[in-house]
Amino acid sequence: GESVGLHLPTLSVQEGDNSIINCAYSNSASDYFIWYKQESGKGPQFIIDIRSNMDKRQGQRVTVLLNKTVKHLSLQIAATQPGDSAVYFCAENFWGSSGGYNKLIFGAGTRLAVHP
Amino acid sequence: DAGVTQSPTHLIKTRGQHVTLRCSPISGHKSVSWYQQVLGQGPQFIFQYYEKEERGRGNFPDRFSARQFPNYSSELNVNALLLGDSALYLCASSSTVQQTAQHFGDGTRLSIL
Repeated sequence: GESVGLHLPTLSVQEGDNSIINCAYSNSASDYFIWYKQESGKGPQFIIDIRSNMDKRQGQRVTVLLNKTVKHLSLQIAATQPGDSAVYFCAENFWGSSGGYNKLIFGAGTRLAVHP
Repeated sequence: DAGVTQSPTHLIKTRGQHVTLRCSPISGHKSVSWYQQVLGQGPQFIFQYYEKEERGRGNFPDRFSARQFPNYSSELNVNALLLGDSALYLCASSSTVQQTAQHFGDGTRLSIL
């Protein structure tokens, strides 16, 4: 079935280190992917997105890498800070009914814990 | 600018009751989607509305329904509540259906007793 999964449910890092969160997706036809950050008691917050015609995209302290050959995404966070502690989701965009609507397919998430 | 706003933030109901959740999209956004997030899992798609029409529906029973108003706000209704309906209900908006960047509100936490 359709799924977006994550390899590591929990990632612990030291403040200042770089973090890498990985994600596998199942639909080879997917053309758009998004990373979200969700803090306790809040909704998912958009971090960065990437389209399938790219293999890398950079934002402020974050980089997303896309490997379509193995259907793999990663989110790299540079100089991780305590405020980065949250659950991170990758989401795969799915187009339904000949493009009449789109939905996001989320994995279970990876919890990032940043220690001082 | 205000983001996606949802109300209420928390709600407690008993089995068999009915509930209505509300969402106001980001100003200028015409598409609203609803997701259900069970504790410890990623959000699951319920509906997408655009221009007051249902454009897509996820694998949820007919007890779940929604509508979108002329001002693009939306309501999610759930009838005959079950214990398993306890979850965080999230609303996301985007400019159009083709604009795929969806921005989420902070959700309504629904607890069924």
